[in-house]
Amino acid sequence: AQSVTQLGSHVSVSEGALVLLRCNYSSSVPPYLFWYVQYPNQGLQLLLKYTSAATLVKGINGFEAEFKKSETSFHLTKPSAHMSDAAEYFCAVSGSGTASKLTFGTGTRLQVTL
Amino acid sequence: DTAVSQTPKYLVTQMGNDKSIKCEQNLGHDTMYWYKQDSKKFLKIMFSYNNKELIINETVPNRFSPKSPDKAHLNLHINSLELGDSAVYFCASSQGLAGGRYEQYFGPGTRLTVT
Repeated sequence: AQSVTQLGSHVSVSEGALVLLRCNYSSSVPPYLFWYVQYPNQGLQLLLKYTSAATLVKGINGFEAEFKKSETSFHLTKPSAHMSDAAEYFCAVSGSGTASKLTFGTGTRLQVTL
Repeated sequence: DTAVSQTPKYLVTQMGNDKSIKCEQNLGHDTMYWYKQDSKKFLKIMFSYNNKELIINETVPNRFSPKSPDKAHLNLHINSLELGDSAVYFCASSQGLAGGRYEQYFGPGTRLTVT
């Protein structure tokens, strides 16, 4: 069984500041890890994914995440926040079996202030 | 060109009614999914289909019945709607079944309100 925990349901940063959204996972098998973003009244869009290649994963819109097995973490970062980054962010984990499902965290709402 | 589309976008109906939500993808994917997002934004998978075959069936009331007429379509029919069914329902698709390694592409969602 897999699960993810997103620490902080709401994160507020100033425009230009570092964005750090935390995600810890639990998985009995090597996981696939994903970050998705949901803008208001829209579906989810993939930001980036970890599939056991490089541990530092670069995604769209300047986001990146680092897979740390020892810490069971996959935190999402962006060096400089932009107003357009305000959205809901979801971390998700999946296994490798043919019937594996994507299990989402509870989401973190990112607010960007001037 | 919309990759994953859903109709309707909004659905308001009364308790006890039966309703359907349609989903179509034009990505050539062979796996499709239905998710439910509750009022607290929690997303949970309901069903997944691969080549019209049911693969994942989570603990969902049997009032919910998915139907996949072909690989590009996965519809969701809900009988005897209840207040607790109010949520946003998302359809998604992915390239393959080999575990969860493939990116899932999500539709815009259908906001169902049961009164």
